[in-house]
Amino acid sequence: TQLLEQSPQFLSIQEGENLTVYCNSSSVFSSLQWYRQEPGEGPVLLVTVVTGGEVKKLKRLTFQFGDARKDSSLHITAAQPGDTGLYLCAGAPNYGGSQGNLIFGKGTKLSVKP
Amino acid sequence: DAMVIQNPRYQVTQFGKPVTLSCSQTLNHNVMYWYQQKSSQAPKLLFHYYDKDFNNEADTPDNFQSRRPNTSFCFLDIRSPGLGDAAMYLCATSRDSGRFYEQYFGPGTRLTVT
Repeated sequence: TQLLEQSPQFLSIQEGENLTVYCNSSSVFSSLQWYRQEPGEGPVLLVTVVTGGEVKKLKRLTFQFGDARKDSSLHITAAQPGDTGLYLCAGAPNYGGSQGNLIFGKGTKLSVKP
Repeated sequence: DAMVIQNPRYQVTQFGKPVTLSCSQTLNHNVMYWYQQKSSQAPKLLFHYYDKDFNNEADTPDNFQSRRPNTSFCFLDIRSPGLGDAAMYLCATSRDSGRFYEQYFGPGTRLTVT
């Protein structure tokens, strides 16, 4: 069974600080997605990383996929209150027949205080 | 805009009274999923349809059923809701595109059981 360990589980920071969220696994994933979920809403896809070592930037958010495609990180620079939410990483298993089922990490609940 | 729509956004039902949640999509995706999410935890997959093929997760209670009458619509039926079934229910879609499997979520239905 493939697992994704996500850390930290909770993060409370001041506006302007930087932070990094990690997703780690002993298994290889064919791709990995990051989602952000605001209270009372569904998760929204932020990015998909596919190639080992890939780095993608989305404004102040930087996503990295590990060289071996077993881990990923999300770095937020100069966090703002609007970044508050639940961040979820989700990996697509690297075996056939998965039919698109994603393996979700347990999520990181981020609170950015003004 | 192409999207995933869930109705209703909020549903209150009585203990033991059957309830149906609906999901529709304009993305023309062939895969549709139902998740249960509690208290800022990661979404838990209940089942999914790959085209017309129904796939139940091993630990999904028999109390939960699903129907997909056509590509655009999918329903979640809870036959006899218990207090423990109170949660956010999320519908998601994806297109079988090889190894990406990006999922697009609806806004969710918050179910309260009284």
